[in-house]
Amino acid sequence: DSGVTQTPKHLITATGQRVTLRCSPRSGDLSVYWYQQSLDQGLQFLIQYYNGEERAKGNILERFSAQQFPDLHSELNLSSLELGDSALYFCASSVSADRSTNEKLFFGSGTQLSVL
Amino acid sequence: AQKITQTQPGMFVQEKEAVTLDCTYDTSDPSYGLFWYKQPSSGEMIFLIYQGSYDQQNATEGRYSLNFQKARKSANLVISASQLGDSAMYFCAMRLYSGAGSYQLTFGKGTKLSVIP
Repeated sequence: DSGVTQTPKHLITATGQRVTLRCSPRSGDLSVYWYQQSLDQGLQFLIQYYNGEERAKGNILERFSAQQFPDLHSELNLSSLELGDSALYFCASSVSADRSTNEKLFFGSGTQLSVL
Repeated sequence: AQKITQTQPGMFVQEKEAVTLDCTYDTSDPSYGLFWYKQPSSGEMIFLIYQGSYDQQNATEGRYSLNFQKARKSANLVISASQLGDSAMYFCAMRLYSGAGSYQLTFGKGTKLSVIP
């Protein structure tokens, strides 16, 4: 158990809908990362928050947004969903101030999103 | 652009044998970190081992070792004495400074390892 909690584990929804994925980082971790894993694109970095503020953006669509709350949990909001958004969405957290190349990321179990 | 290449989509290994999973990387940055993660069929991503670009010795963690050849830009994962529970996807990843005080972890496409009894 990595200590990173993601809910829900599975989500089935229809095109055009909006969903929210939730992540609780490991105790004491300040950085939260969101990744998308699909068969064709592999693991793609979406966005990172550090202590409530956006730190880095990757391949995140404009229909997607995220935030990190004062208690450090994070939510990823996906709107106007399309079939191609079906994927496994991971949250990861890291131990401290994200200032080194040896910072280990600990991943949650992921949320499997199916858009029908 | 920095990238990670895993050329073996799938590998088979006999139980109790050793196996090497290949990973090559491309960066001009002298400071980077290399990671291996395991993803079993249940889906979670499990950290296995880390190697820093300035580390002189190869990293080891139990049955896992990282064969780091800096000049060749390779970071192969060696699993000794394979077990049935090692059957999973294995991802190589590289962490680099990406600017504005941020570091990013970039993943390869993965290798699916199947351990045969």
